[in-house]
Amino acid sequence: EAQVTQNPRYLITVTGKKLTVTCSQNMNHEYMSWYRQDPGLGLRQIYYSMNVEVTDKGDVPEGYKVSRKEKRNFPLILESPSPNQTSLYFCASSLSWGPGNTIYFGEGSWLTVV
Amino acid sequence: QQQVKQSPQSLIVQKGGISIINCAYENTAFDYFPWYQQFPGKGPALLIAIRPDVSEKKEGRFTISFNKSAKQFSLHIMDSQPGDSATYFCAVVVMDSNYQLIWGAGTKLIIKP
Repeated sequence: EAQVTQNPRYLITVTGKKLTVTCSQNMNHEYMSWYRQDPGLGLRQIYYSMNVEVTDKGDVPEGYKVSRKEKRNFPLILESPSPNQTSLYFCASSLSWGPGNTIYFGEGSWLTVV
Repeated sequence: QQQVKQSPQSLIVQKGGISIINCAYENTAFDYFPWYQQFPGKGPALLIAIRPDVSEKKEGRFTISFNKSAKQFSLHIMDSQPGDSATYFCAVVVMDSNYQLIWGAGTKLIIKP
């Protein structure tokens, strides 16, 4: 089954404790990205990757890091989480980029930073 | 600065009625206008999309109407069903090498049986 898998789905952590949210896709997609979803703001792109070893900042990259060492994996790293990073996070992938490329989303990771 | 304004924020429609969600954008450089549907506990999923060279696209009970001069596009759900209850997002695609999606704030739609 074609899917985007993120882990953990739910996490409560403390301020400053480094954490990683993993993302893996099994569709051999080139394009992967991370979004955060907050009430009243829709989805905002954090980082994206057009291919292996190619990553770039989205709209809200501050406080986040990513890496793309393999095509299928695109982890999101919070080096020193803060309460304003409490949010619902989505990983997404598509075959390529550009209009017409369907974006597939994971089921989301609820992150609470206390 | 919000480049895509979506309304209403929430909407309650009787079963069998027509649900209408509107989006307005500012930048004329967009060239792809998708709508996504999100059920609770799930990620968004592409519902229907339109390019600016057509004024309307219909897929089953779902129709996008596009008004390029007014910089507006809307989603119409005909014969709305309880299973359509979800959050709907409009989005626009920025016409550059990134082709980034810019999202509306979302509309929570509830269809009353």
